[in-house]
Amino acid sequence: KAGVTQTPRYLIKTRGQQVTLSCSPISGHRSVSWYQQTPGQGLQFLFEYFSETQRNKGNFPGRFSGRQFSNSRSEMNVSTLELGDSALYLCASSLAGGGTGELFFGEGSRLTVL
Amino acid sequence: DAKTTQPTSMDCAEGRAANLPCNHSTISGNEYVYWYRQIHSQGPQYIIHGLKNNETNEMASLIITEDRKSSTLILPHATLRDTAVYYCIVRVFGGSQGNLIFGKGTKLSVKP
Repeated sequence: KAGVTQTPRYLIKTRGQQVTLSCSPISGHRSVSWYQQTPGQGLQFLFEYFSETQRNKGNFPGRFSGRQFSNSRSEMNVSTLELGDSALYLCASSLAGGGTGELFFGEGSRLTVL
Repeated sequence: DAKTTQPTSMDCAEGRAANLPCNHSTISGNEYVYWYRQIHSQGPQYIIHGLKNNETNEMASLIITEDRKSSTLILPHATLRDTAVYYCIVRVFGGSQGNLIFGKGTKLSVKP
């Protein structure tokens, strides 16, 4: 069965622009989480969505937002990009209440802000 | 902040067992120990988890001390492909599962 798919894999933006990243979870998974990974801060939780509702949110500014659609696909948006937003953005899906509780991660979207 | 402490790095010879320790002295009674690994430039991959009994699957074994304050992940026959950063995470099972608190992890280098 297909894994978690993230698009685009790589992108370059300039300061002040905005970006939208997409994540398609594993079929049947209803929970989608987003993480930011940088060399300095490591892996940090952004937010989690379940049944189109944000269930958890990490400690990030309001410029970071997300949403989930009825088919469980999710998008995250970063507005007014800053140089420090350059990072690998990872999406993970899970059964949300079933299975082993493990998260299945995608390959990530690598964002470079110039 | 992460509730776990792991060594920054470890080396292991190919074919030998890799034993990765993790301290979680403040673990609560309802928290499980999870292990993930991240191979360079890929998303993290689930390895194993446990509550208080030792666990084994096709990838690894997890040994949790009786007081649950520490655990060891064992890769029985390490290969070069096991070179990765290994993360030990404690979390409650069930409910909202998407929020994992990752620490710095242990960078395992498997050498020929």
